[in-house]
Amino acid sequence: SQQGEEDPQALSIQEGENATMNCSYKTSINNLQWYRQNSGRGLVHLILIRSNEREKHSGRLRVTLDTSKKSSSLLITASRAADTASYFCATDPPDNFNKFYFGSGTKLNVKP
Amino acid sequence: GAGVSQSPRYKVAKRGQDVALRCDPISGHVSLFWYQQALGQGPEFLTYFQNEAQLDKSGLPSDRFFAERPEGSVSTLKIQRTQQEDSAVYLCASSLTPGQGPYEQYFGPGTRLTVT
Repeated sequence: SQQGEEDPQALSIQEGENATMNCSYKTSINNLQWYRQNSGRGLVHLILIRSNEREKHSGRLRVTLDTSKKSSSLLITASRAADTASYFCATDPPDNFNKFYFGSGTKLNVKP
Repeated sequence: GAGVSQSPRYKVAKRGQDVALRCDPISGHVSLFWYQQALGQGPEFLTYFQNEAQLDKSGLPSDRFFAERPEGSVSTLKIQRTQQEDSAVYLCASSLTPGQGPYEQYFGPGTRLTVT
């Protein structure tokens, strides 16, 4: 069974718009990471946020973390067609940072 | 430099056959992970190696699944007597730091296994 759940399951937007994806998880975590997976390719790490951080930025990406609500959000600003992919959050529990639990993913489609 | 590579990329097996999936991690990466990804789902942890030691195999779904990394580099995931429910993409990942996290895992492209 998976730890996290992304919302929405699918999202379709126009190029230039912002995309927001949410992740909820069930148990305490050390860190939360977001990964992207293009069709037919492996997962690519996007950004990591520690449990004691609330917000982090990397280029067009903004991640927030609310440990009291056990949730995180990923915002992609000024989206591009190349951002079309599935996005997954992954958490690692405090007692085992090697064991990643992935959510079920949000499938983002950015229309040119 | 080269990333994580996996072979074969696609494998079709008849139910009951044994399969072996190979992973070549990034050179120098101490930690190696195997995940199973069903269609439309996120990856699920199978097992983890630090060098040649298998430190966690709690995610292996049955005793038909076996993984090894005898020399601390290349790893093989073996599935015996394959069943239809084994059909999935098998992802391998490696990471550099065995000590305190957090750290990033680098993923290979996966092997898509179809059991007919």
